[in-house]
Amino acid sequence: DVKVTQSSRYLVKRTGEKVFLECVQDMDHENMFWYRQDPGLGLRLIYFSYDVKMKEKGDIPEGYSVSREKKERFSLILESASTNQTSMYLCASSLRGVSTDTQYFGPGTRLTVL
Amino acid sequence: KQEVTQIPAALSVPEGENLVLNCSFTDSAIYNLQWFRQDPGKGLTSLLLIQSSQREQTSGRLNASLDKSSGRSTLYIAASQPGDSATYLCAIMNYGGATNKLIFGTGTLLAVQP
Repeated sequence: DVKVTQSSRYLVKRTGEKVFLECVQDMDHENMFWYRQDPGLGLRLIYFSYDVKMKEKGDIPEGYSVSREKKERFSLILESASTNQTSMYLCASSLRGVSTDTQYFGPGTRLTVL
Repeated sequence: KQEVTQIPAALSVPEGENLVLNCSFTDSAIYNLQWFRQDPGKGLTSLLLIQSSQREQTSGRLNASLDKSSGRSTLYIAASQPGDSATYLCAIMNYGGATNKLIFGTGTLLAVQP
Protein backbone atom coordinates (compact mmCIF):
# COMPACT_ATOMS: atom_id res chain seq x y z
CA ASP A 1 0.00 0.00 0.00
CA VAL A 2 1.10 3.52 -0.79
CA LYS A 3 1.79 5.51 2.29
CA VAL A 4 1.95 9.30 2.43
CA THR A 5 2.79 10.74 5.81
CA GLN A 6 2.75 14.31 7.05
CA SER A 7 4.90 15.48 9.92
CA SER A 8 2.12 16.92 12.08
CA ARG A 9 -1.65 16.45 12.36
CA TYR A 10 -2.15 19.73 14.20
CA LEU A 11 0.06 22.79 14.35
CA VAL A 12 -0.37 26.18 16.04
CA LYS A 13 1.95 29.02 15.06
CA ARG A 14 2.11 32.76 15.57
CA THR A 15 1.92 35.44 12.91
CA GLY A 16 5.31 36.06 11.33
CA GLU A 17 6.81 32.68 12.22
CA LYS A 18 8.47 30.52 9.58
CA VAL A 19 6.59 27.25 9.25
CA PHE A 20 7.74 23.97 7.71
CA LEU A 21 5.29 21.25 6.69
CA GLU A 22 6.89 17.96 5.75
CA CYS A 23 5.52 15.20 3.54
CA VAL A 24 7.08 11.81 2.87
CA GLN A 25 5.94 9.07 0.48
CA ASP A 26 7.29 5.55 0.40
CA MET A 27 6.38 4.36 -3.11
CA ASP A 28 9.04 6.04 -5.25
CA HIS A 29 6.46 8.35 -6.82
CA GLU A 30 7.73 11.02 -9.15
CA ASN A 31 5.01 13.60 -8.58
CA MET A 32 4.18 15.30 -5.29
CA PHE A 33 1.61 17.97 -4.54
CA TRP A 34 0.62 20.41 -1.81
CA TYR A 35 -3.01 21.52 -1.48
CA ARG A 36 -4.90 23.60 1.01
CA GLN A 37 -8.54 22.90 1.82
CA ASP A 38 -10.93 25.56 3.05
CA PRO A 39 -14.70 25.38 3.64
CA GLY A 40 -16.63 26.43 0.55
CA LEU A 41 -13.47 26.65 -1.58
CA GLY A 42 -12.53 22.99 -1.81
CA LEU A 43 -8.98 21.82 -2.45
CA ARG A 44 -6.68 24.29 -4.18
CA LEU A 45 -3.24 23.42 -5.51
CA ILE A 46 -0.37 25.43 -4.00
CA TYR A 47 2.71 23.84 -5.59
CA PHE A 48 3.69 20.59 -7.20
CA SER A 49 6.90 18.82 -8.12
CA TYR A 50 7.50 16.27 -10.87
CA ASP A 51 11.10 15.46 -10.03
CA VAL A 52 13.80 16.12 -7.47
CA LYS A 53 14.64 19.83 -7.31
CA MET A 54 11.85 20.59 -9.79
CA LYS A 55 8.80 22.58 -8.79
CA GLU A 56 5.92 24.37 -10.42
CA LYS A 57 3.44 26.87 -9.06
CA GLY A 58 -0.12 25.80 -8.65
CA ASP A 59 -3.15 28.04 -8.43
CA ILE A 60 -2.35 29.82 -5.15
CA PRO A 61 1.45 29.92 -4.58
CA GLU A 62 1.62 33.38 -2.99
CA GLY A 63 3.10 33.29 0.49
CA TYR A 64 4.45 29.76 0.08
CA SER A 65 7.61 28.08 -1.15
CA VAL A 66 8.58 24.42 -1.50
CA SER A 67 11.64 22.23 -1.42
CA ARG A 68 12.27 18.79 -2.88
CA GLU A 69 15.83 17.70 -2.19
CA LYS A 70 15.02 13.98 -2.15
CA LYS A 71 12.48 12.07 -4.22
CA GLU A 72 10.46 10.87 -1.22
CA ARG A 73 10.22 14.22 0.60
CA PHE A 74 8.36 17.39 -0.34
CA SER A 75 8.33 20.33 2.06
CA LEU A 76 5.98 23.29 2.13
CA ILE A 77 7.37 26.47 3.68
CA LEU A 78 5.45 29.46 4.94
CA GLU A 79 8.13 32.15 5.07
CA SER A 80 6.13 34.45 7.36
CA ALA A 81 2.88 32.90 8.52
CA SER A 82 -0.27 34.99 8.40
CA THR A 83 -3.73 34.39 9.82
CA ASN A 84 -5.18 33.86 6.32
CA GLN A 85 -2.96 30.80 6.00
CA THR A 86 -4.94 29.03 8.71
CA SER A 87 -6.18 25.97 6.85
CA MET A 88 -5.99 22.22 6.34
CA TYR A 89 -2.92 21.32 4.28
CA LEU A 90 -2.91 18.10 2.29
CA CYS A 91 0.03 16.46 0.60
CA ALA A 92 -0.36 13.96 -2.24
CA SER A 93 1.80 11.89 -4.55
CA SER A 94 1.33 10.06 -7.84
CA LEU A 95 3.50 7.77 -9.92
CA ARG A 96 3.80 9.74 -13.15
CA GLY A 97 0.70 11.85 -13.67
CA VAL A 98 -0.66 10.11 -16.74
CA SER A 99 -4.36 9.50 -17.21
CA THR A 100 -4.37 6.18 -15.35
CA ASP A 101 -2.60 7.45 -12.25
CA THR A 102 -4.47 8.48 -9.15
CA GLN A 103 -3.12 10.69 -6.40
CA TYR A 104 -2.55 9.29 -2.92
CA PHE A 105 -3.15 11.67 -0.05
CA GLY A 106 -1.66 12.06 3.38
CA PRO A 107 -3.83 12.56 6.49
CA GLY A 108 -3.49 16.35 6.44
CA THR A 109 -2.08 18.99 8.75
CA ARG A 110 -4.48 21.44 10.34
CA LEU A 111 -2.53 24.65 10.76
CA THR A 112 -3.76 27.49 12.94
CA VAL A 113 -1.96 30.84 12.77
CA LEU A 114 -2.70 33.15 15.70
CA LYS B 1 -10.80 27.52 -17.17
CA GLN B 2 -12.16 24.24 -15.84
CA GLU B 3 -14.80 24.53 -13.15
CA VAL B 4 -16.15 21.57 -11.22
CA THR B 5 -19.48 21.74 -9.39
CA GLN B 6 -21.08 19.22 -7.05
CA ILE B 7 -24.75 19.25 -6.16
CA PRO B 8 -26.14 18.83 -3.57
CA ALA B 9 -23.68 20.19 -1.03
CA ALA B 10 -25.18 17.94 1.63
CA LEU B 11 -27.42 14.90 1.60
CA SER B 12 -29.03 12.84 4.35
CA VAL B 13 -30.61 9.46 3.63
CA PRO B 14 -31.85 6.51 5.68
CA GLU B 15 -29.79 3.34 5.71
CA GLY B 16 -30.48 0.99 2.80
CA GLU B 17 -31.39 3.63 0.23
CA ASN B 18 -29.73 3.83 -3.15
CA LEU B 19 -28.40 7.30 -3.89
CA VAL B 20 -26.76 9.38 -6.61
CA LEU B 21 -24.18 12.12 -6.22
CA ASN B 22 -23.67 14.55 -9.07
CA CYS B 23 -20.62 16.26 -10.52
CA SER B 24 -20.56 18.66 -13.47
CA PHE B 25 -17.64 20.25 -15.29
CA THR B 26 -17.33 23.00 -17.87
CA ASP B 27 -14.51 21.78 -20.15
CA SER B 28 -14.95 18.35 -21.73
CA ALA B 29 -11.27 18.06 -22.75
CA ILE B 30 -10.27 15.95 -19.79
CA TYR B 31 -7.87 13.05 -19.18
CA ASN B 32 -9.90 11.46 -16.43
CA LEU B 33 -12.40 12.03 -13.67
CA GLN B 34 -11.94 10.64 -10.19
CA TRP B 35 -14.18 10.23 -7.17
CA PHE B 36 -12.63 10.50 -3.71
CA ARG B 37 -13.94 9.97 -0.21
CA GLN B 38 -12.88 12.11 2.75
CA ASP B 39 -13.68 11.25 6.35
CA PRO B 40 -13.83 14.14 8.84
CA GLY B 41 -10.42 15.64 9.57
CA LYS B 42 -8.62 13.16 7.33
CA GLY B 43 -7.06 12.89 3.91
CA LEU B 44 -8.68 11.72 0.69
CA THR B 45 -9.07 8.15 -0.47
CA SER B 46 -9.50 7.37 -4.15
CA LEU B 47 -12.70 5.42 -4.91
CA LEU B 48 -12.96 5.25 -8.69
CA LEU B 49 -11.07 6.63 -11.67
CA ILE B 50 -12.74 6.89 -15.09
CA GLN B 51 -10.51 7.60 -18.05
CA SER B 52 -11.85 9.92 -20.74
CA SER B 53 -12.39 6.99 -23.13
CA GLN B 54 -14.53 5.10 -20.60
CA ARG B 55 -18.15 5.58 -19.65
CA GLU B 56 -18.27 3.95 -16.25
CA GLN B 57 -16.36 2.15 -13.52
CA THR B 58 -17.63 -0.11 -10.76
CA SER B 59 -16.23 -1.12 -7.39
CA GLY B 60 -18.45 -3.10 -5.06
CA ARG B 61 -21.54 -1.03 -4.26
CA LEU B 62 -20.16 1.99 -6.11
CA ASN B 63 -20.70 2.83 -9.76
CA ALA B 64 -19.40 5.98 -11.41
CA SER B 65 -20.46 7.16 -14.86
CA LEU B 66 -18.97 9.75 -17.17
CA ASP B 67 -20.69 11.69 -19.95
CA LYS B 68 -18.08 14.04 -21.40
CA SER B 69 -20.40 15.57 -23.98
CA SER B 70 -22.76 16.86 -21.30
CA GLY B 71 -19.99 17.55 -18.77
CA ARG B 72 -21.45 15.27 -16.10
CA SER B 73 -20.52 12.40 -13.85
CA THR B 74 -22.57 10.54 -11.28
CA LEU B 75 -21.56 8.37 -8.37
CA TYR B 76 -24.18 5.76 -7.55
CA ILE B 77 -24.08 4.14 -4.12
CA ALA B 78 -26.25 1.06 -3.70
CA ALA B 79 -27.77 -0.04 -0.40
CA SER B 80 -26.20 2.77 1.61
CA GLN B 81 -24.75 2.07 5.07
CA PRO B 82 -23.86 4.37 8.00
CA GLY B 83 -20.19 3.69 7.22
CA ASP B 84 -20.68 5.45 3.88
CA SER B 85 -21.10 8.74 5.74
CA ALA B 86 -18.32 11.05 4.52
CA THR B 87 -17.63 13.86 2.08
CA TYR B 88 -17.42 12.75 -1.55
CA LEU B 89 -15.29 14.78 -3.92
CA CYS B 90 -14.99 14.58 -7.66
CA ALA B 91 -11.87 15.76 -9.42
CA ILE B 92 -10.95 16.36 -13.04
CA MET B 93 -7.47 15.72 -14.35
CA ASN B 94 -6.53 18.53 -16.67
CA TYR B 95 -3.27 18.75 -18.52
CA GLY B 96 -0.96 21.31 -16.99
CA GLY B 97 2.75 21.72 -17.67
CA ALA B 98 4.99 18.74 -17.04
CA THR B 99 2.45 16.85 -15.01
CA ASN B 100 -1.27 16.57 -14.83
CA LYS B 101 -3.17 18.49 -12.20
CA LEU B 102 -6.43 17.73 -10.45
CA ILE B 103 -9.24 20.26 -10.18
CA PHE B 104 -11.63 19.47 -7.37
CA GLY B 105 -15.27 20.14 -6.73
CA THR B 106 -16.29 21.36 -3.28
CA GLY B 107 -17.82 18.02 -2.35
CA THR B 108 -21.07 16.49 -1.17
CA LEU B 109 -21.39 15.75 2.55
CA LEU B 110 -23.31 12.48 2.88
CA ALA B 111 -24.96 11.33 6.10
CA VAL B 112 -26.53 7.86 6.17
CA GLN B 113 -28.88 7.53 9.11
CA PRO B 114 -29.12 4.12 10.85
